[in-house]
Order: sequence, then structure tokens, then C-alpha cells
Amino acid sequence: NAGVTQTPKFQVLKTGQSMTLQCAQDMNHEYMSWYRQDPGMGLRLIHYSVGAGITDQGEVPNGYNVSRSTTEDFPLRLLSAAPSQTSVYFCATGRGSYSTDTQYFGPGTRLTVL
Amino acid sequence: ELKVEQNPLFLSMQEGKNYTIYCNYSTTSDRLYWYRQDPGKSLESLFVLLSNGAVKQEGRLMASLDTKARLSTLHITAAVHDLSATYFCAGGTGTASKLTFGTGTRLQVTL
Repeated sequence: NAGVTQTPKFQVLKTGQSMTLQCAQDMNHEYMSWYRQDPGMGLRLIHYSVGAGITDQGEVPNGYNVSRSTTEDFPLRLLSAAPSQTSVYFCATGRGSYSTDTQYFGPGTRLTVL
Repeated sequence: ELKVEQNPLFLSMQEGKNYTIYCNYSTTSDRLYWYRQDPGKSLESLFVLLSNGAVKQEGRLMASLDTKARLSTLHITAAVHDLSATYFCAGGTGTASKLTFGTGTRLQVTL
């Protein structure tokens, strides 16, 4: 039982390049989300999904795309990387809308855009 | 739109002392979460508070929720060095339980 996994752990991109950050979970959780963490700003929600085939925007969605074709996977795509997207990205999962359980965070991906 | 404010942002305390971190939120929140983050690591869940008056304790940490005051507190009793970390509170809203985080409190416990 791996919980929430994220790949890669570290990535350096040049401005304009594209890439996909992977997030996978084996807990059969309905709810998955992506956050970015910047110094002094806490974590901010990028996109989230309440189930396969359903996604929605969070607080800071611009420059990012998501899709959810399976319960287990929720990739985050950067279409054309910009230096402002340098951040640490965390994927989180939870049991769903009315769950009283916590949300579980993956280990994070540290992204640098030059 | 939910906004969450934590204070203090930084807290240096001596071992053995008590202190409280405060988390204020702006609108109704379905639930209130506390997380711990060590440098370079992910977030570790500490508490989920669901209703007014809820109190949860784990070791030297105790969290409470006052929904009327829109305030949650994380109380540290007799701090030890191992508690040094950044602590985040987050409010959950809406049917999807989206989290809105505070900016975090960096706690440093000195010997």
C-alpha cells in the first residue's frame, strides 16, 4: 500500500517547455487535488477532482491542465512553463465530499523553471 | 471566499514552555484541519475538527475549534525540540472539501 505517490521528485525546465507531473493513489479515494506551495504563501489549490471524469478549477488554475480518466491517477500538465511556476507541487487525496477523514498528501515535486 | 489567517508566523520557544498558535477564518467552514510539515517534507495530518467546541489531543498538541468566533487554536504543552516544524491550519468548504490554507507558523523549539 503505497498511499499517494508523485513523480518526479525534482524537475528543472526551461521557459516554454511542457511537462506532466504524475500523481497516483492506491487508497480508492474519490477526491484528488493539486496544490502548489510557495514561500510565505502556504498552499494554494490549483485543480481538483471529485471522481473519474470530473475536474474543476481551484484558486490558481492558469497555466495548468488536468484530467482524471481513472480513480487512481490525476496528472497535472504544464503546457508552457514559466518562471512563475517554480514551486513545490503537492497532490492530495481524500475520501470525498462528506468524509470526516483527513486529506493525505503525496511527497511533492520540486519544480524549477529557468 | 474563505480566507484563513494564522499567527504568529514565526515562534521561537524554549523547551518546557507552553504556547498557542491561532487560526482565524473568514466565513463558514465545514471543517478545520491542522497539518505539520518538516523542512523539505510533505504535510502530515494532525487533527480534523468538525464541529463547534471540538477538542482533540495528541501528545503535547491540543487543537480546538470555536465556529462562532471562527477560530481554531493549536496549543503546545511543555514543548520539546522534536516539535520544531511548520504548522498549517486549513479550512474545508463546499461539497468537494477544497482546502484553503493559512500561511503557516514556523515553530522553533530551542534547548
